[in-house]
Amino acid sequence: DAKTTQPNSMESNEEEPVHLPCNHSTISGTDYIHWYRQLPSQGPEYVIHGLTSNVNNRMASLAIAEDRKSSTLILHRATLRDAAVYYCILRATSNTGKLIFGQGTTLQVKP
Amino acid sequence: DTGVSQNPRHKITKRGQNVTFRCDPISEHNRLYWYRQTLGQGPEFLTYFQNEAQLEKSRLLSDRFSAERPKGSFSTLEIQRTEQGDSAMYLCASSFATRNTEAFFGQGTRLTVV
Repeated sequence: DAKTTQPNSMESNEEEPVHLPCNHSTISGTDYIHWYRQLPSQGPEYVIHGLTSNVNNRMASLAIAEDRKSSTLILHRATLRDAAVYYCILRATSNTGKLIFGQGTTLQVKP
Repeated sequence: DTGVSQNPRHKITKRGQNVTFRCDPISEHNRLYWYRQTLGQGPEFLTYFQNEAQLEKSRLLSDRFSAERPKGSFSTLEIQRTEQGDSAMYLCASSFATRNTEAFFGQGTRLTVV
């Protein structure tokens, strides 16, 4: 499975946008980019995924670089409830659906 | 449907004892996954089922670990002769067996081996 690299931690102020980066320079053409987050004492929660085009949903936006070697998860207005560990994961379309988690980015949101 | 349910939420056991955890997935989902998470780390894949068939097992799953999904619905994960290194959060997830569908996770079972 291709590897992703994320900063260990980031800080944001409440109600400001947050841009969480992820590098995946060894991504293959069939790998989808998935983001999950894990709130304290909870199981991981799906956030968003994409292949080539930018994606939006009610939780976040995903911006994918043209060469697909990096992506950015965008939270448009951070709230205190968005404080969590955010995981960027590559998933091949042919695989079993298992998720290979890295250490993720711990996001702190300050009031 | 209330999502993926795991029981118990917490388990404290003495070293050498056997423990069993249960996972009830979302009812329409045919894939079920088990992960283990230690403090400060991301979850690690252990095994997965498609319906009742166990299709992949990680090398992390020693012979003391066994998982079943007898009727393709709920699953159990048993750890025999527990060791202190087994202390972790055990997470269950379920999904449809289609391309790039999202996985839904339970809240996990926290195991402490003393």
